[in-house]
Formats: sequence, structure tokens, C-alpha cells
Amino acid sequence: DTAVSQTPKYLVTQMGNDKSIKCEQNLGHDTMYWYKQDSKKFLKIMFSYNNKELIINETVPNRFSPKSPDKAHLNLHINSLELGDSAVYFCASSIRDPRGNEQFFGPGTRLTVL
Amino acid sequence: AQSVTQPDIHITVSEGASLELRCNYSYGATPYLFWYVQSPGQGLQLLLKYFSGDTLVQGIKGFEAEFKRSQSSFNLRKPSVHWSDAAEYFCAVGSGNTGKLIFGQGTTLQVKP
Repeated sequence: DTAVSQTPKYLVTQMGNDKSIKCEQNLGHDTMYWYKQDSKKFLKIMFSYNNKELIINETVPNRFSPKSPDKAHLNLHINSLELGDSAVYFCASSIRDPRGNEQFFGPGTRLTVL
Repeated sequence: AQSVTQPDIHITVSEGASLELRCNYSYGATPYLFWYVQSPGQGLQLLLKYFSGDTLVQGIKGFEAEFKRSQSSFNLRKPSVHWSDAAEYFCAVGSGNTGKLIFGQGTTLQVKP
């Protein structure tokens, strides 16, 4: 039933570790996104993939690497985690419209770096 | 560059009172505009959207929003607030030709019994 799902829901890890977050959508959408929500609730786009092709890559450190094995999945791998990476990461999906379209969000992954 | 401003960081209203959340945008052409709600510990849910046509848009949960081009605004309204409406509300604008959404800072709504 779940439209956009993310795993894990919570992730607690030490500085310097590498971790991955997975996202899957069953809505048949062709575009997926990763957002970061900081402690002040500010939401900022990080990446977007359309049919497995990277179309948005905001100024995000190279330690963050998205991977889209197919258009229903978008994973986020983070190397050498830092304290500042602590945030809630949201995956979203939509049908692509260059001017913007309704995006469906997952429940979020709360990452805590100690 | 496109931007969205939500001037009110925090709003408190009494249950049953009316609500208006403000949103101002900066965009060169006719924007695509959205309002999302985020309940504690949850993802974002779309309340309503405006692409074109009638400037008064109806959404879910009894919310509506009015697009005013002259004021670059897209304010969200509800005639009678319920305790379950307490949440974070985000206004967003579709950006340029990339399809991304640019979000405002959010407004926290608290509902008093």
C-alpha cells in the first residue's frame, strides 16, 4: 500500500562511518528526489533522478552519492559521516514536469551522527 | 532566482477559529504553487496546488488558498481550525525548468483548546 517508502526510519552512527538510505516508490513515477530537512525544519533539495538519469545535483558534498538502479528506486550513500550530516532525509517522487509537479514524500529517515 | 517566504514562523490559534497562513513567492512567470503539511514525525502531504485557472484553489481537509499575482502571494486559509491541524505547513514554488520545488521556511501551527 505504501506509496513512497524509506529504510531505515532511524539511523544512529558514529562520525567517519559510511551509511546508506534506501527509497522505493510504487506510484509508477519517473522522477525521484532526495531532500534534507535540518533542525530548523528547512527543506532543501539535494538530488533528483529522472528515469535513472541525474537531473538535479545541488551543491552537496562529494561524500553524498545517489544511485538509482531503476526508476522505482533511489538510494543515498553517505561516506565519512560528519556531525553536520545529522538531519531528516526525505525521499520523494513525481511525474516529471519541468515547471514542478506534485511530489509524494516518504516518511523520512532521521540520521543522527555522534 | 525563485524563492518563497513564509513570514510567520509560529502561529497559535484557538480551536474553531479561522486560520490564514501567509506565503509570498518570487518568480518571473506564472508559478506552480503548492502547500504541504507535515505532522510530527511524518513526511509531507500535499494540501493543494495551483497551476493555472481559478485563483481560488480548494484542497483536502477543508483548506483553500488564493493566488494573487499582484501581491505575489498564495495564502492558505481554513474557516475553522481543528486540534488535529496542529502541524508544520510549507509553501513551495516549482522552480524554472528543472522540476524541483523550492520550499519556504515553514510555519508551525499550534491549536489551543
